[in-house]
Amino acid sequence: DTAVSQTPKYLVTQMGNDKSIKCEQNLGHDTMYWYKQDSKKFLKIMFSYNNKELIINETVPNRFSPKSPDKAHLNLHINSLELGDSAVYFCASNKREVTGELFFGEGSRLTVL
Amino acid sequence: AQSVTQLGSHVSVSEGALVLLRCNYSSSVPPYLFWYVQYPNQGLQLLLKYTSAATLVKGINGFEAEFKKSETSFHLTKPSAHMSDAAEYFCAVSDSGGTSYGKLTFGQGTILTVHP
Repeated sequence: DTAVSQTPKYLVTQMGNDKSIKCEQNLGHDTMYWYKQDSKKFLKIMFSYNNKELIINETVPNRFSPKSPDKAHLNLHINSLELGDSAVYFCASNKREVTGELFFGEGSRLTVL
Repeated sequence: AQSVTQLGSHVSVSEGALVLLRCNYSSSVPPYLFWYVQYPNQGLQLLLKYTSAATLVKGINGFEAEFKKSETSFHLTKPSAHMSDAAEYFCAVSDSGGTSYGKLTFGQGTILTVHP
């Protein structure tokens, strides 16, 4: 069983479109994250939810909207896609009290043409 | 603010040789430090972590790292490289205050190549 699973793994779309990425974890964790890895492999946190509550919201354009329907799921919706949004988006999860020990999904590679 | 610098974007070693990947950090509060490994087309996997207990930390796959406060370093080592160690390695820092949750600040990554 995959611990943190993301769908889709690959996404190719045109500028201006809207797309979503979904994430699910079956580890019983209470905190989930979205990280963005750019073309230079630089990883940066975008959002975090703890028990469905948004707790980290970095400086991200408001075209990006996360949603956590329950503590096992975290989705990312992106409106009006731009070329600069091309990246690999990683979902991760952990137990809140275990600082920094994140379990990552395999990533969703988004290419905006 | 916290930051991490990994010295050397590429490191190449022969199989059986010592692996040394360098990481220096900057933090205004006592840090928690981590090394993660990323194999091609996969997510990151935790190798080891320092959380203010022992300064020499042992991780999976024979890796270890030593926290040196005076040098603000947390270098990753392995005595003998194996072909399967070829991957990209990321050093990361988090503050130990307990409020940062999983807000890790990552270094730029070091690609390790292992030659036969």
